[in-house]
Amino acid sequence: GAVVSQHPSWVICKSGTSVKIECRSLDFQATTMFWYRQFPKQSLMLMATSNEGSKATYEQGVEKDKFLINHASLTLSTLTVTSAHPEDSSFYICSARDQGGGQRERLNEQFFGPGTRLTVL
Amino acid sequence: DAKTTQPPSMDCAEGRAANLPCNHSTISGNEYVYWYRQIHSQGPQYIIHGLKNNETNEMASLIITEDRKSSTLILPHATLRDTAVYYCIVATNFGNEKLTFGTGTRLTIIP
Repeated sequence: GAVVSQHPSWVICKSGTSVKIECRSLDFQATTMFWYRQFPKQSLMLMATSNEGSKATYEQGVEKDKFLINHASLTLSTLTVTSAHPEDSSFYICSARDQGGGQRERLNEQFFGPGTRLTVL
Repeated sequence: DAKTTQPPSMDCAEGRAANLPCNHSTISGNEYVYWYRQIHSQGPQYIIHGLKNNETNEMASLIITEDRKSSTLILPHATLRDTAVYYCIVATNFGNEKLTFGTGTRLTIIP
């Protein structure tokens, strides 16, 4: 199946610093990627929809100035947590759909990255 | 809010069939039933999806009731590696459709 990678897999940073997380579709094109956040023992919560070449669409309650999303190419979206604080510590997961045409696009399967664990001290 | 309800947890003996139920009584005509699972500290993994017919692939079978208000995911011969949280999601297959994750079912396979 299609592969989505995330980098880094984990990161520890000091409060007040910014952290950038990359999400890449390795063998397919993704016009749209999704960013989720998951706190311990909770489900995934969608943060935003990342659109290649345009602004991201944020879910209600998610601060767009704090969580900066850039989708500069068909295979890369980045999430930057600006001025991170301990309450931002979480598991951040991205996903993408294969929108390059063909069987995978018709199946509408979403491929998820392995996640990035952010710990803010 | 998630459009599905699932039992919070289930146990299944290794080697037996694991049957995971899901209720989606408000499903729309153009919405599919998707199943994903999440093994601890990993990203979710697609399992199977269907519209109204039963579906089977190498991982699992999906049984959807005739009225489409509920479904059952069947793992025919559960192994310890199937221990995970299983999410049942209803969504269309439109281009940018979002997936809304509920609380899922935590399936534990017992040796």
